[in-house]
Amino acid sequence: AQRVTQPEKLLSVFKGAPVELKCNYSYSGSPELFWYVQYSRQRLQLLLRHISRESIKGFTADLNKGETSFHLKKPFAQEEDSAMYYCALSHFNYGQNFVFGPGTRLSVLP
Amino acid sequence: KAGVTQTPRYLIKTRGQQVTLSCSPISGHRSVSWYQQTPGQGLQFLFEYFSETQRNKGNFPGRFSGRQFSNSRSEMNVSTLELGDSALYLCASSLTSGRLSYNEQFFGPGTRLTVL
Repeated sequence: AQRVTQPEKLLSVFKGAPVELKCNYSYSGSPELFWYVQYSRQRLQLLLRHISRESIKGFTADLNKGETSFHLKKPFAQEEDSAMYYCALSHFNYGQNFVFGPGTRLSVLP
Repeated sequence: KAGVTQTPRYLIKTRGQQVTLSCSPISGHRSVSWYQQTPGQGLQFLFEYFSETQRNKGNFPGRFSGRQFSNSRSEMNVSTLELGDSALYLCASSLTSGRLSYNEQFFGPGTRLTVL
C-alpha cells in the first residue's frame, strides 16, 4: 500500500536558519513525489515536484529511492515560509490521485 | 483565469440527512478530483472524474458518490450523513487525467461540512 509519513507535526526555526521538512514514503514501484504548501487562509498549492528537479522559493527536494525519502530543504528560512507543508505521492497506474502525508506546520520565528 | 470554485463554502447538516457539494473547475480543465480533509485522517482521496466518467475511487463507503457534467462541473453527494463525515471537502481540477507530474492539480477553497 502507498503511504507517506511526515514525522514532525510542528517545526519551529528562527529566521535565517536552515530548514528541513522530512518526508518518507512506502511504495513498491516508481512513485512521483510532490510538496504542497498551504499558507494561512489560502488554498493548497503545489510547491515543487521531484520530476522537475526545480528550486521554488529557495526550496529544493531530492528523491532518495534507497532511503525512500523526499525531504524538503531551504538553506535560510524566511518568516513568509511559515505555512503547512504536505508531502504527496502519486502513481499513474493507480489513477490520478495523491496520497498525502499528515503535514508539517513550519513556523519561522523572527 | 478564475480558480476552482466550490459551493457552498459552509454547510451544517444533521445525522441521516444527505448533502450535495458543487465544484466548478478552472475553465478548460476536464478532470476533477475530490478529497476529504479531517484532523484525524488528513487529506484522503475520494474520487476523480474525467469526461463525465469516474476514473478512480478512493476507499470510502458507497454513501459517497459523485458525478460530472458535460461542462466539467462536478458534484459530490453524501447520503445518510454520519458525525464522522464532518470535514473539509476539497475539489481539485486539472487539464486532463494523466500523470500528476505533468498535469498539475489546482485546489479549490473547500466546503466545510459540519454534521450535528
